[in-house]
Amino acid sequence: DAGITQSPRYKITETGRQVTLMCHQTWSHSYMFWYRQDLGHGLRLIYYSAAADITDKGEVPDGYVVSRSKTENFPLTLESATRSQTSVYFCASSDRSLNQPQHFGDGTRLSIL
Amino acid sequence: DAKTTQPNSMESNEEEPVHLPCNHSTISGTDYIHWYRQLPSQGPEYVIHGLTSNVNNRMASLAIAEDRKSSTLILHRATLRDAAVYYCLRPKTSYDKVIFGPGTSLSVIP
Repeated sequence: DAGITQSPRYKITETGRQVTLMCHQTWSHSYMFWYRQDLGHGLRLIYYSAAADITDKGEVPDGYVVSRSKTENFPLTLESATRSQTSVYFCASSDRSLNQPQHFGDGTRLSIL
Repeated sequence: DAKTTQPNSMESNEEEPVHLPCNHSTISGTDYIHWYRQLPSQGPEYVIHGLTSNVNNRMASLAIAEDRKSSTLILHRATLRDAAVYYCLRPKTSYDKVIFGPGTSLSVIP
């Protein structure tokens, strides 16, 4: 079934380590997004991408790096993980414009010790 | 600063209508207003979106104020499965980034 897939679903790592969260979508949607959701809170945009090789910062980009060499993939990298980056990370995609509905993955629960 | 506000929580009896409000202090004329809901341990799920006039789909209705600074998600008959956190979203504009509201936790009482 086509959709949006995030991996891994769960990850535990240590401070200072580099971590990459993967996001893959099969719809060929133009836009892709990364959000973080801290326990008991809403969603905050980290980065988004309008197309391959086009990315832009969201509300909370510090400490994160993204790339988009192919339309279907949008990996998020924490270059040197910190405890404050412990969160649930959601990837989403939407077709053609920011005004189209976003379709979300199931999330990656990341714990940094 | 752009701000999107929602009540922290609301309660409804089963099979009663529910009106979930959202205020968006700055919104351009071309921004659609979106609503999503999130069940525990799941990703957000799209509910409905609209630009100016009222919108209906199989899940809900969306009423948008004439000045577009507020919207209301209407669940016509709440069921236990509608218990979730409901978020309104204002997509990125030339003024600001994508902004999710803080979310309203809806409880449905049997």
